[in-house]
Parts: sequence; C-alpha cells; structure tokens
Amino acid sequence: AQSVTQPDIHITVSEGASLELRCNYSYGATPYLFWYVQSPGQGLQLLLKYFSGDTLVQGIKGFEAEFKRSQSSFNLRKPSVHWSDAAEYFCAVVSGAGGGNKLTFGTGTQLKVEL
Amino acid sequence: EPEVTQTPSHQVTQMGQEVILRCVPISNHLYFYWYRQILGQKVEFLVSFYNNEISEKSEIFDDQFSVERPDGSNFTLKIRSTKLEDSAMYFCASSLHTGGLETQYFGPGTRLLVL
Repeated sequence: AQSVTQPDIHITVSEGASLELRCNYSYGATPYLFWYVQSPGQGLQLLLKYFSGDTLVQGIKGFEAEFKRSQSSFNLRKPSVHWSDAAEYFCAVVSGAGGGNKLTFGTGTQLKVEL
Repeated sequence: EPEVTQTPSHQVTQMGQEVILRCVPISNHLYFYWYRQILGQKVEFLVSFYNNEISEKSEIFDDQFSVERPDGSNFTLKIRSTKLEDSAMYFCASSLHTGGLETQYFGPGTRLLVL
C-alpha cells in the first residue's frame, strides 16, 4: 500500500530564510505526488503536483518541489519564506484504485516563521 | 474563484446521536470526497462518490456512515450513531474529473466533537 512520511513535525525558520520540507513516499508504481497547505481555519489548498516530466515542479506562492526517484522523495522548497507562509504542510500521494483517486496524506509539518 | 463550502463549521453532539455534515462542492465538479483528521493525526480518506454511487471507501467508512447527494448542489455525510472516536475535523473535497493528477479542492472543514 502507498504511504507518505513527513519526518519533521515542526519546523521554525526566520522570515527571509530558505525552507525545505521533507517528504518520502512508498508506492509501487510511478506516484502522483501533491503538496497541500492548510492555514488556520482554512481548507487544504493545493501548492503543486507531479506525475512525470521535469522533476522540478513549480507551484503557487513561490514554492517548488523536486521529485527524486532514487531517494523516493518529493521535498518542498521555497527560497525566501514570508511570515504568511506559517501554516501546516501536507505531502500526499494518489492511489487510483477503483477510480476514486483517494489521497493518502503524510502527518504534516507545522511551519512557524519567526520575524 | 469557486470554492467548496461546508456547514456547520463546528458541531457538538452527544454520543449515539445522528449527525449530518453538509458540503456544497464546486458547481461543475463531478467527483466528491470526504476525508477526516483526528486531532494530531493524518488526514484520512473516507469515501469517494461519483454518479450517485460510492466509488471507493476506506475501512473507516463502516455501516454507521453514509453519503448522499440529495440535490444538485449538496453532498452530505451522515454518521448514524456517533461515537467518541468520531470526533475529528471532516473535510469535503470535489474534483472536475477523475485521474491521478486531477486536483481535489477542499472545503474548510467541519469540526465535530462527540461528548
């Protein structure tokens, strides 16, 4: 069965610093990978997604992620963090079994931004 | 921008009571989903729904749960007899198509507390 691991539960960075959030996946086939962000009181918002092609994917809000098959990783990065990026970030993989396309999420990483 | 809405935002109920959580998916979307997140745990898939039928359901989605699209705009999750362990944030999502890379758009969630 597919699974996603986010090793970091909490991360604190200073505003303006670079950010990398880790995600490792376990999936038998080529995975469909996603990063979602959840701000307080908000739903999950898609940042970016990947299936094939260029392994560096650009998303919204200045985020990017790099797919590395050899490391089974799909880490999320941002060159310069803004205070408004403080939120919880979820990595997810899709299973297409039964045509339902259920998302399997990691446990999430809570990002705190220090001013 | 179209968005998924959910009502109520918070619900408190007594164990054994029935609850209905309501969602209005994005209007032209055809695929609907429910997920839940128990406090401190992962977001978990419950069920997907298309063409008035369940496409896929998880082990969590037992006989106490049901989903319905009662009209052209609402999508509901009913818990027949709530248990303490049903306390969670419930997210509704919708997508236009199915397929691994299809984006699921999430609502802000309903926080359910079972006493």
